Amino acid sequence: AQTVTQSQPEMSVQEAETVTLSCTYDTSESDYYLFWYKQPPSRQMILVIRQEAYKQQNATENRFSVNFQKAAKSFSLKISDSQLGDAAMYFCAYRSDQGAQKLVFGQGTRLTINP
Amino acid sequence: EAQVTQNPRYLITVTGKKLTVTCSQNMNHEYMSWYRQDPGLGLRQIYYSMNVEVTDKGDVPEGYKVSRKEKRNFPLILESPSPNQTSLYFCASSPDRGLSQNSGANVLTFGAGSRLTVL
Repeated sequence: AQTVTQSQPEMSVQEAETVTLSCTYDTSESDYYLFWYKQPPSRQMILVIRQEAYKQQNATENRFSVNFQKAAKSFSLKISDSQLGDAAMYFCAYRSDQGAQKLVFGQGTRLTINP
Repeated sequence: EAQVTQNPRYLITVTGKKLTVTCSQNMNHEYMSWYRQDPGLGLRQIYYSMNVEVTDKGDVPEGYKVSRKEKRNFPLILESPSPNQTSLYFCASSPDRGLSQNSGANVLTFGAGSRLTVL
């Protein structure tokens, strides 16, 4: 079974600075998808960014980018120019290319933005 | 507005009192699923459904039941709730069952969550 590990329960960063959240995963599959979700205090699950494993190019969405290292099974999220609205719980998730659309989530990282 | 709607958003109940958390989506999605979120554990899948009348267990199905009699609805039933089912519950849906080659683009849409406390 696949597993996802987020080793940083909490992170903090100064407003306008850059922060990187770590995620590693374990799988024997070669094709899969990786996601980062944001959960603000409202509890809503918001998709931040996604990466297909067959794509070598790292995904980017505005201030959010990933560093996808397939061989190392690592999928970190970089947030540039951090804003107060980025404060949230962030979850890394894995989805197999086989079978139904089940997401396997990491434990989450709570990000605090200091003004 | 395209959305997944869960009710109730908050519920406090007592051990053994049957309850149902409803989930409805207005996007004509085939795939629906339930997750529970617990501190330090992330979200874990309880049950999922790939189409009407087709349901299957996820990773933590014990103590839960589901049904999919209509495409839009996927209720989660706790027949005899226990304190270890105190959690934050999410319903999610997707247009695709995830079996096609290009299904990676089909992302789950989540409901707003239901906070359940069992005393």
